[in-house]
Amino acid sequence: AQKITQTQPGMFVQEKEAVTLDCTYDTSDPSYGLFWYKQPSSGEMIFLIYQGSYDQQNATEGRYSLNFQKARKSANLVISASQLGDSAMYFCAMREGRSSGSARQLTFGSGTQLTVLP
Amino acid sequence: DSGVTQTPKHLITATGQRVTLRCSPRSGDLSVYWYQQSLDQGLQFLIQYYNGEERAKGNILERFSAQQFPDLHSELNLSSLELGDSALYFCASSVEPQYSRRYTFGSGTRLTVV
Repeated sequence: AQKITQTQPGMFVQEKEAVTLDCTYDTSDPSYGLFWYKQPSSGEMIFLIYQGSYDQQNATEGRYSLNFQKARKSANLVISASQLGDSAMYFCAMREGRSSGSARQLTFGSGTQLTVLP
Repeated sequence: DSGVTQTPKHLITATGQRVTLRCSPRSGDLSVYWYQQSLDQGLQFLIQYYNGEERAKGNILERFSAQQFPDLHSELNLSSLELGDSALYFCASSVEPQYSRRYTFGSGTRLTVV
């Protein structure tokens, strides 16, 4: 079964508007972490935001916020006031706790290609 | 600069050859992870090292191997290369043993097998 599901292969948004990128996850671990990364066309992986399963508040980092709905197992990324430079591939990822033993690797979704239109 | 250094950035080699990819983790990070990103498979975890010891294995082929040295840099060795090994190979590092809140990625090595 897919551990991380991103159902939007591609998204378009008008410059200065907000956009939500969907991510659902599947784990039986009570302790886990959820991450979003941005991959521009140049290829590097840029960390955007982190949400821990026990964190009480939704994470925010500048124009990025994470809409964490634990019961629904969703961790959607919200980008406010989109900029042309936000055009990139966005990946949701999860790090599990105890079930992964001592390993702490990330499992990635298939990504969403976001295009910001002028 | 993320603090994770990967070399080389690009590599073109022929089928059947062997290559070595190098990664220096961010200062203070003890754990190194290798990932392969290809168009058909997405981002796949290969292997993890922590402080010199192998910690976890993912979808790593037997033709591939890795190690982490005492200075914490890591090398990924790919042998008997096939066309399908062409991909972007990432190294990431994190602080261990705490539950990491950040994994820092290098800029990747783009391998092309011809």
